Amino acid sequence: AQTVTQSQPEMSVQEAETVTLSCTYDTSESNYYLFWYKQPPSRQMILVIRQEAYKQQNATENRFSVNFQKAAKSFSLKISDSQLGDTAMYFCAFKATGAQKLVFGQGTRLTINP
Amino acid sequence: GAGVSQSPRYKVAKRGQDVALRCDPISGHVSLFWYQQALGQGPEFLTYFQNEAQLDKSGLPSDRFFAERPEGSVSTLKIQRTQQEDSAVYLCASTWGRGYEQYFGPGTRLTVT
Repeated sequence: AQTVTQSQPEMSVQEAETVTLSCTYDTSESNYYLFWYKQPPSRQMILVIRQEAYKQQNATENRFSVNFQKAAKSFSLKISDSQLGDTAMYFCAFKATGAQKLVFGQGTRLTINP
Repeated sequence: GAGVSQSPRYKVAKRGQDVALRCDPISGHVSLFWYQQALGQGPEFLTYFQNEAQLDKSGLPSDRFFAERPEGSVSTLKIQRTQQEDSAVYLCASTWGRGYEQYFGPGTRLTVT
């Protein structure tokens, strides 16, 4: 069974700063997807970024980028030039290629302060 | 276009009551998922449908939980004889199929008193 661990329950930074959220996972699968989801207080889970394990290049989406270390089973999210609207819970998630369900971590509550 | 919708947004039930939670997926999405999110935790998988077929129900915590998607579109998650430990947010997600992004609804917050 796969497990996903987010070791930072809460983080807080000032607006415009850069912040990195950590995620590690455990799997015996060789092909899989990794995701970062954002969940604001409205509860709507929104996909931030995804990474296919077979791709060596780290995914980027505007201010969001990941550092994917397959051998270390690490998948961190970097948010550059943080904005007040980035305040939310962030969840790291794993999906094996042959499976359907997502396996989520416990989440990191990120607060961006003005 | 319309996203995934869920109703009701909030539900309060007395212990022992039955509840039914509805999910309207994005039109044309083949796959539908239910997840349970306890307070302060990440979502946990409950069950998965491909069209009307329930292909995985390994995450349902007990036989009091039942889900259906009879016409391959709208899905209902039913909880019989609710218990306090059933209090959680129930999230529905849909997708075109394997490998595609799962789109989530806003969830139903169930409180059992």
